[in-house]
Amino acid sequence: NAGVMQNPRHLVRRRGQEARLRCSPMKGHSHVYWYRQLPEEGLKFMVYLQKENIIDESGMPKERFSAEFPKEGPSILRIQQVVRGDSAAYFCASSPRGFGTEAFFGQGTRLTVV
Amino acid sequence: RKEVEQDPGPFNVPEGATVAFNCTYSNSASQSFFWYRQDCRKEPKLLMSVYSSGNEDGRFTAQLNRASQYISLLIRDSKLSDSATYLCVFGGSSNTGKLIFGQGTTLQVKP
Repeated sequence: NAGVMQNPRHLVRRRGQEARLRCSPMKGHSHVYWYRQLPEEGLKFMVYLQKENIIDESGMPKERFSAEFPKEGPSILRIQQVVRGDSAAYFCASSPRGFGTEAFFGQGTRLTVV
Repeated sequence: RKEVEQDPGPFNVPEGATVAFNCTYSNSASQSFFWYRQDCRKEPKLLMSVYSSGNEDGRFTAQLNRASQYISLLIRDSKLSDSATYLCVFGGSSNTGKLIFGQGTTLQVKP
């Protein structure tokens, strides 16, 4: 049973480009969380999705950031027109039941904006 | 008041020592509680859930104090491999049940 898969593991983008981060949850998990971790900081909640629904996006910046979790395929976190401050580790976690129950993390995507 | 507060440490202890961390939360409606471990900024890994009755897993014991709104983690007989950052996590306090992470407490176990 494969764990949570994130790709790419490392992503380099120039300022102004788009970044797409993918997260395939564990088999049987229909809940996905996205978190951002800046250097020397803790994990900051961004968004919580269930298949085809955004449950809570209170941690998402109002502009340039979007997330989806379609019926088929991985969850996608999309960052448009990246800036240097977007450089961070982005972690995805999946949960079988969601709503505050235990979640399991992928290895993360390290985004570097140059 | 912050949603979650943890002493960042670092806690430097010798092998074999017993060490305890506390973590306070501000939202009394929180329904679920966990400890995660993060090594060298890799992905967090679930260490244990925390129940009202307390729970133990080998050398690790977790406690929940709802009245004072904190959870604790006790590590007995510390090993070098216990060196990591320990994250407290709360969930279920909002309508959506998102998981909120503390900043983490760093533990260094020395030979």
